[in-house]
Amino acid sequence: DIQMTHSPSSLSASVGDRVTITCRASQSISSYLSWYQFKPGKAPKLLIYSASALESGVPSRFSGSGSGTDFTLTISGLQPEDFASYYCQQTYSFPLTFGGGTKVEIK
Amino acid sequence: EVQLLESGGGLVQPGGSLRLSCAASGFTFSSYAMSWVRLVPGKGLECLSTISGSGGVTYFVDSVKGRFTVSRDNSKNTLYLQMNSLRAEDTAVYYCVRDLRQYSSGDYWGQGTLLTVSS
Repeated sequence: DIQMTHSPSSLSASVGDRVTITCRASQSISSYLSWYQFKPGKAPKLLIYSASALESGVPSRFSGSGSGTDFTLTISGLQPEDFASYYCQQTYSFPLTFGGGTKVEIK
Repeated sequence: EVQLLESGGGLVQPGGSLRLSCAASGFTFSSYAMSWVRLVPGKGLECLSTISGSGGVTYFVDSVKGRFTVSRDNSKNTLYLQMNSLRAEDTAVYYCVRDLRQYSSGDYWGQGTLLTVSS
């Protein structure tokens, strides 16, 4: 199985900050990497697919980069509605595994 | 508007069975693969099962293989997850997800349904 590792597991940030979350795969997954946002009581939301493609309707302050084993999700100018948990997932091979997540909290 | 609505969660004793449903609307259901994903408290996310649009191809993660089955009724726009021989470690929020499969992200998720396995 491909292991996905998030860094950090949590962070505290202020509105307006630039936030970077890293996800590392245990083997190359090309660009088959997605990022999701989870908020309690709400349907999870796809933010980024194919490592760097912005899902329709997602604000442009979200961006993704990387290929192979190392990936990054960046939020440029954190907004109050962005305080949530973020997960990466590889869809390169079954089982389709997720990282352990990064919780973004208010400083 | 794409909507996915899970139902059927609840409290079940270890060894018991339960069937989850996911009612889909707002898109041509039969054109999309569907998956079940669970969020285990304190442990994270696990993609359990994927079924093709026709229902002819399925995949299960090892942790539920032989205990869980997935099916779909395209005439009712509904996805199912039959869960047998339930264990405490199956306690989780279960989500249905559209188009989550190899080489494709899950573009729409339901809000989830909570399963608690406890005596």
